[in-house]
Amino acid sequence: GDSVTQMEGPVTLSEEAFLTINCTYTATGYPSLFWYVQYPGEGLQLLLKATKADDKGSNKGFEATYRKETTSFHLEKGSVQVSDSAVYFCALSDVGGSQGNLIFGKGTKLSVKP
Amino acid sequence: GAGVSQSPSNKVTEKGKDVELRCDPISGHTALYWYRQRLGQGLEFLIYFQGNSAPDKSGLPSDRFSAERTGESVSTLTIQRTQQEDSAVYLCASSQRTGTYGYTFGSGTRLTVV
Repeated sequence: GDSVTQMEGPVTLSEEAFLTINCTYTATGYPSLFWYVQYPGEGLQLLLKATKADDKGSNKGFEATYRKETTSFHLEKGSVQVSDSAVYFCALSDVGGSQGNLIFGKGTKLSVKP
Repeated sequence: GAGVSQSPSNKVTEKGKDVELRCDPISGHTALYWYRQRLGQGLEFLIYFQGNSAPDKSGLPSDRFSAERTGESVSTLTIQRTQQEDSAVYLCASSQRTGTYGYTFGSGTRLTVV
């Protein structure tokens, strides 16, 4: 079945460091891909998305490019801030499949130190 | 409302008791989802409602779990004879349609079974 694999955390970085959180997927159809963020004590929020190959999603300085050839959707940010400390979830939605739900990775906890 | 509302925000219950969790989706969102998030874990799909179609119950972990939704409005998730392993945050999300639109999550109900 469809699945999402993301790098295990926790990831600890200093402020202004470069961030990459790897995400790869397995899907039988043509999925849409998402990154969600969960700040401490809050619910999940959609961070960015891409609906087809080569699309780049971007928001709040974060970017991710839908790479069909490598089945990846890695999250990047050039200069992280303390306020970016959160848990990041990669997810896919197989629009062509029978399921209507998003399939999530296990999440990667990011801690940014001043 | 402006967002997805869940109640209660916290619930402590004794083992063996029944609990009912409520989710108010965003008005006009036809799709509604329930997920479970155990401490330090990713999101576990429970059930999905889409309009008046039969719900996808494939994620419910046992027959102690059930959910209802009337039309495109409020949903309730019921857990009967609660067990300690049911302790988790239960997240509800809604979306305009399945697939590419992403979800809006509520802040969740933190259930603790003692």
